[in-house]
Amino acid sequence: EIVLTQSPGTLSLSPGERATLSCRASQTIISSYLAWYQQKPGQAPRLLIYGASTRATGIPDRFSGSGSGTDFSLTISRLEAEDFAVYYCHQYGTPPTTFGQGTRVEI
Amino acid sequence: EVQLVQSGAEVAKPGESLKISCKGSGYMFTSHWISWVRQMPGKGLEWMGKIDPSDSYTSYSPSFEGHVIISVDKSISTVYLQWSSLRASDTAMYYCARHLRGSSREELDPWGQGTLVTVSS
Repeated sequence: EIVLTQSPGTLSLSPGERATLSCRASQTIISSYLAWYQQKPGQAPRLLIYGASTRATGIPDRFSGSGSGTDFSLTISRLEAEDFAVYYCHQYGTPPTTFGQGTRVEI
Repeated sequence: EVQLVQSGAEVAKPGESLKISCKGSGYMFTSHWISWVRQMPGKGLEWMGKIDPSDSYTSYSPSFEGHVIISVDKSISTVYLQWSSLRASDTAMYYCARHLRGSSREELDPWGQGTLVTVSS
């Protein structure tokens, strides 16, 4: 199965700063079938990005995804207080679908 | 509004059976696959398996195949996750999630609120 490695494990930033989260795959992810999810404490995950770069419905444009092959990233252009959460990348191109271990974005 | 509503928290003993549910509303239920995802306490997300509600076709992660069964009752727009013999290591939050588009690709949106399963003697 494809292993997704996210870095860093924890990102300590302030509101207004830019956050860049990385997701590296152990094999090429076909057709850029890579998604990003946000999970806040006590809540279910929420889809942010799919197809590596397409924002899900209702997701603010400060969230953007990029990458292809084995290297992908999620950028939050200007952090807002509500963005402090755990972010997971997720590949769904090669069965079984797998998730990264998560990056915590904290103040 | 598209919504998945899961059944409530469960406490069970090792060796017992259990079935939890996920009810879809606000969309054509048979047009979207549903996946189940496990999150153990303080840990990340693990995909367990998925079902096509239109024909009950299922696919499982090798890590979970043989230990859980995913099923559906189209008449009440509900998908189920069941165990025949629980283990303490099954203690976790379980989420159902709809596939965003009408395909088996696991773009998961939205998610249910989660069902906490606690297995303890």
